[in-house]
Amino acid sequence: KQEVTQIPAALSVPEGENLVLNCSFTDSAIYNLQWFRQDPGKGLTSLLLIQSSQREQTSGRLNASLDKSSGRSTLYIAASQPGDSATYLCAVAFQTGTASKLTFGTGTRLQVTL
Amino acid sequence: NAGVTQTPKFQVLKTGQSMTLQCAQDMNHNSMYWYRQDPGMGLRLIYYSASEGTTDKGEVPNGYNVSRLNKREFSLRLESAAPSQTSVYFCASSRGESGANVLTFGAGSRLTVL
Repeated sequence: KQEVTQIPAALSVPEGENLVLNCSFTDSAIYNLQWFRQDPGKGLTSLLLIQSSQREQTSGRLNASLDKSSGRSTLYIAASQPGDSATYLCAVAFQTGTASKLTFGTGTRLQVTL
Repeated sequence: NAGVTQTPKFQVLKTGQSMTLQCAQDMNHNSMYWYRQDPGMGLRLIYYSASEGTTDKGEVPNGYNVSRLNKREFSLRLESAAPSQTSVYFCASSRGESGANVLTFGAGSRLTVL
C-alpha cells in the first residue's frame, strides 16, 4: 500500500530558528509531491508543488526538496515566525493513480514561540 | 475571488438522516474532489470527478454518493448518515489531471452524526 509518513507529529521551535519538516513515501514512482499548510479550523493552502523531474522548489522563506530514490521530501522554513504556526501536510500523487489523486500524510503541527 | 465554496460549514445530523454537502468553484477547473479528514488519519479521498460528466470512487466511497452537476458544482450526499461519518469534509478542485496540478481547497464542512 502506498503510504505517506510525516515525523514528528508535532514540533515547537523558538522564533527565528530555521527548521526542517520531513515527509517520506513508500513508492518512488510519483507524478508530484505537494506541501500544504492548514490553520486550525480552516482548509488547506498549497505552499509548494514539486514535479517528479525536479529536485527542489522555493517560495520566499520556504524550500522544498525531493529525493525520489530515497522516498523523501523536506520542507525547510528559514527564520521561523509565530505566523508560521500551523499544521504542514505533505501529499504525494503516485503514478499508479492519476496525477490528481493525492495520498496525504497526517501532518506535522508546528508551533513557533516568541 | 471566492475560489472553492462549501456549504454548510457546520451540520449536526441524527443517525439515518440524509444530507447533501454542496461545493462550487469559480476557477474554471476541470477536476473536483471530496476528501474527509479525521484525527490521526490524514485526508482521505472519497470521490473525485476528473471532468464534467465523470465521477470515480476514491479510497473511502462507501456510504456516499456524488453528483457533478456542471463544471462548477460537485455535491456529496449521505443517504443514511452513520456516526462513523462524523468528520470534516473538504472539497477541492484542480485545473486537470496533468502532473502540474495544484489543488485548491474549500474551508471545510464539519459534520457530526449523533
